Amino acid sequence: LAKTTQPISMDSYEGQEVNITCSHNNIATNDYITWYQQFPSQGPRFIIQGYKTKVTNEVASLFIPADRKSSTLSLPRVSLSDTAVYYCLVGEIRAGNMLTFGGGTRLMVKP
Amino acid sequence: DTGVSQNPRHKITKRGQNVTFRCDPISEHNRLYWYRQTLGQGPEFLTYFQNEAQLEKSRLLSDRFSAERPKGSFSTLEIQRTEQGDSAMYLCASSYRDNPGDTIYFGEGSWLTVV
Repeated sequence: LAKTTQPISMDSYEGQEVNITCSHNNIATNDYITWYQQFPSQGPRFIIQGYKTKVTNEVASLFIPADRKSSTLSLPRVSLSDTAVYYCLVGEIRAGNMLTFGGGTRLMVKP
Repeated sequence: DTGVSQNPRHKITKRGQNVTFRCDPISEHNRLYWYRQTLGQGPEFLTYFQNEAQLEKSRLLSDRFSAERPKGSFSTLEIQRTEQGDSAMYLCASSYRDNPGDTIYFGEGSWLTVV
């Protein structure tokens, strides 16, 4: 299983862009990179997923360098409601059981 | 609402009692997962089903835990003789197996407090 390393916590202010980097040196060829967001007392919510290069959706962007040993989740212009825990997961999603959550990054957005 | 549905959302039980949680996955999703999450920790994988077959069980799933998915639709997670250490949020998730980079969608969780 590819292990991920991400900062334990980050602080930001409203309106700023937030970049959360995740290291996954042992990523396998078939592994996808998936980010989830979790608010207190709620289940994780899918944010974005990618395999290589850049992926963008209405919520975030995901940057993946060519070696795929790391990835960066970019949240544009954060608001207070983006305060949450963000998890980076690496695995072969089809296997289902290979999804392993680490401790995540606790993002605190301040006014 | 077509998301993953879990109930009850909260359950308080006395130590030694049995509890059962139910999960209704997203329609047409043939994979269903159970995770457990304690305060301050990320979710931990417990088990998963493909249709009605339970294909993987974590070592976290002690003999007091049993999960079923009859007919490959909804699933139940039963905890027998609950202990205080079982207090956690139990998360259900589902996915559709054949999608490349398949996404797993989680429910809102079922909180268990054992007193």
